Amino acid sequence: QQPVQSPQAVILREGEDAVINCSSSKALYSVHWYRQKHGEAPVFLMILLKGGEQKGHDKISASFNEKKQQSSLYLTASQLSYSGTYFCGTERNAGGTSYGKLTFGQGTILTVHP
Amino acid sequence: DARVTQTPRHKVTEMGQEVTMRCQPILGHNTVFWYRQTMMQGLELLAYFRNRAPLDDSGMPKDRFSAEMPDATLATLKIQPSEPRDSAVYFCASGLGLAGGRGQFFGPGTRLTVL
Repeated sequence: QQPVQSPQAVILREGEDAVINCSSSKALYSVHWYRQKHGEAPVFLMILLKGGEQKGHDKISASFNEKKQQSSLYLTASQLSYSGTYFCGTERNAGGTSYGKLTFGQGTILTVHP
Repeated sequence: DARVTQTPRHKVTEMGQEVTMRCQPILGHNTVFWYRQTMMQGLELLAYFRNRAPLDDSGMPKDRFSAEMPDATLATLKIQPSEPRDSAVYFCASGLGLAGGRGQFFGPGTRLTVL
């Protein structure tokens, strides 16, 4: 039931763009995105609650395709500070409401070089 | 600056000993989560509470783990007896609503090593 993230790792140069995908086999109520730097706690980036919803956070945005049970995180014009492990957390849909808990993907390691 | 606090930050103990980890959620948050993170298993949900009531602890080994929330400002996770396979980073997170409808905010974690 764990969502599947792809790619597992990505290496960028500053200024390049990246897309991280998150796919679930279950109907979803919401998708959360978090970033974790080495030795630190995960940090909340954004939550997507509605099918097709897109949210933005500086140069980081995300989309949620409810029908496909997929979400994508878009990082544009990457900066060194974007380096870290990105996790999606999915909340299952229980007939229009949520089960109330997140299941996290295995993470995508993003490395940005100067 | 509101943040989740956890104590201790590091704990080294011997197999068979009791370990207690504490968490103070962000004031006003009504949902508290306990996670365990390892390289092999990733980030796993152990238990969570809403308005101090336990909602789900299916992720916890029942025979040795217990989680409680004696008041709104304190959540505890206890392991008794501890085993080497319990070595991991344990995170507490808090939020508003089910699954933290506005996101979950993580504490710095407790790094547990069981020898």
